[in-house]
Amino acid sequence: DAGVTQSPTHLIKTRGQQVTLRCSPKSGHDTVSWYQQALGQGPQFIFQYYEEEERQRGNFPDRFSGHQFPNYSSELNVNALLLGDSALYLCASSPPSGSSGNTIYFGEGSWLTVV
Amino acid sequence: AQKVTQAQTEISVVEKEDVTLDCVYETRDTTYYLFWYKQPPSGELVFLIRRNSFDEQNEISGRYSWNFQKSTSSFNFTITASQVVDSAVYFCALSPGGYQKVTFGTGTKLQVIP
Repeated sequence: DAGVTQSPTHLIKTRGQQVTLRCSPKSGHDTVSWYQQALGQGPQFIFQYYEEEERQRGNFPDRFSGHQFPNYSSELNVNALLLGDSALYLCASSPPSGSSGNTIYFGEGSWLTVV
Repeated sequence: AQKVTQAQTEISVVEKEDVTLDCVYETRDTTYYLFWYKQPPSGELVFLIRRNSFDEQNEISGRYSWNFQKSTSSFNFTITASQVVDSAVYFCALSPGGYQKVTFGTGTKLQVIP
């Protein structure tokens, strides 16, 4: 049973460019969230997708957007990249509400460096 | 607003010593979940435990144990007889019941010296 998978694992972008990160949730999971983890910090919640809609959003600018597809996979898009966007981006998935409690599983993340 | 505080930034212990990682949380929710995750250098957050706010029973899993005290809003994590493989950053986290938004602490970096 594959866990949460993310791609790419590492990438380097230039300031002002746009980036798309991808996530496939764990089998049987229908909710996907994205987190940003700067070096030496804890992960910060970006947003959550359920039934192809953004359900919750953290304190991130509109440059951060996302999408969820019918197969529950998800993308995170960041426009007009800033140096401060350099971070590990983690995708998390969880099962339908009422099953297996509220356990959240994370992928290995995508390391983004903005130069 | 929710907040998780991990006051210990870095801890070093010698192998086979016991070590306790502290976690204090703040929330106005009556129902919530507490978590501990381990993050090795590879980056993946490895789930260790989930505890809901109605269950204050302490838990032991092998060398790991957790002490949840609602009265002091603490959820501490103890590793007994530490091993080099325990070296990692450990995060305490909090989420309201039903949704997935998780608030993390800043993490405690544990180094176990052989």
